[in-house]
Amino acid sequence: AAGVIQSPRHLIKEKRETATLKCYPIPRHDTVYWYQQGPGQDPQFLISFYEKMQSDKGSIPDRFSAQQFSDYHSELNMSSLELGDSALYFCASSLVGQLKGYTFGSGTRLTVV
Amino acid sequence: ELKVEQNPLFLSMQEGKNYTIYCNYSTTSDRLYWYRQDPGKSLESLFVLLSNGAVKQEGRLMASLDTKARLSTLHITAAVHDLSATYFCAVDMSGNYQLIWGAGTKLIIKP
Repeated sequence: AAGVIQSPRHLIKEKRETATLKCYPIPRHDTVYWYQQGPGQDPQFLISFYEKMQSDKGSIPDRFSAQQFSDYHSELNMSSLELGDSALYFCASSLVGQLKGYTFGSGTRLTVV
Repeated sequence: ELKVEQNPLFLSMQEGKNYTIYCNYSTTSDRLYWYRQDPGKSLESLFVLLSNGAVKQEGRLMASLDTKARLSTLHITAAVHDLSATYFCAVDMSGNYQLIWGAGTKLIIKP
């Protein structure tokens, strides 16, 4: 079965650079979520989209932005990167009303040096 | 505000033993989830619990939900080394497009 695809798997950036993370949800899933997980931390919700519209916003810095495109893939754009942005970034997708819960991608490990 | 508390946060146990991880949450929630995460890996869905009294079992893991007590448990029976991982519980509420996570329980099972 198709899963949530994230790219890239690993990314190394320097401080003050920008990064773009991509997420391709499970086909027909209508909701996409972005989470940030620091070392030894639980995942922190950043932002979500339902049917290509932003549906909820969490602890996402102003330096970050995200959008969902017409093909339902989503991108998380991160600018003016800081050392503290180093983390695992997970994308998850779900189908509203489906009882199976959320499916997570493999994550993008971002390292800011 | 919805808060989720897990305990213990760290658990080291011998193979063959039984143990329980607890997940308390602060307000009414529609669904409760259990996830497993291996180091540096993604979050693997284990159970989705939807209603009071729900009990689900998969292999050596069994999860239950008591919505009146706002408590879920993840019970490990006759633990084996392969179950070593971090286990998270998470809850969501109707109308909110996000999960609220517990801090995770790091489980180490020694041969």
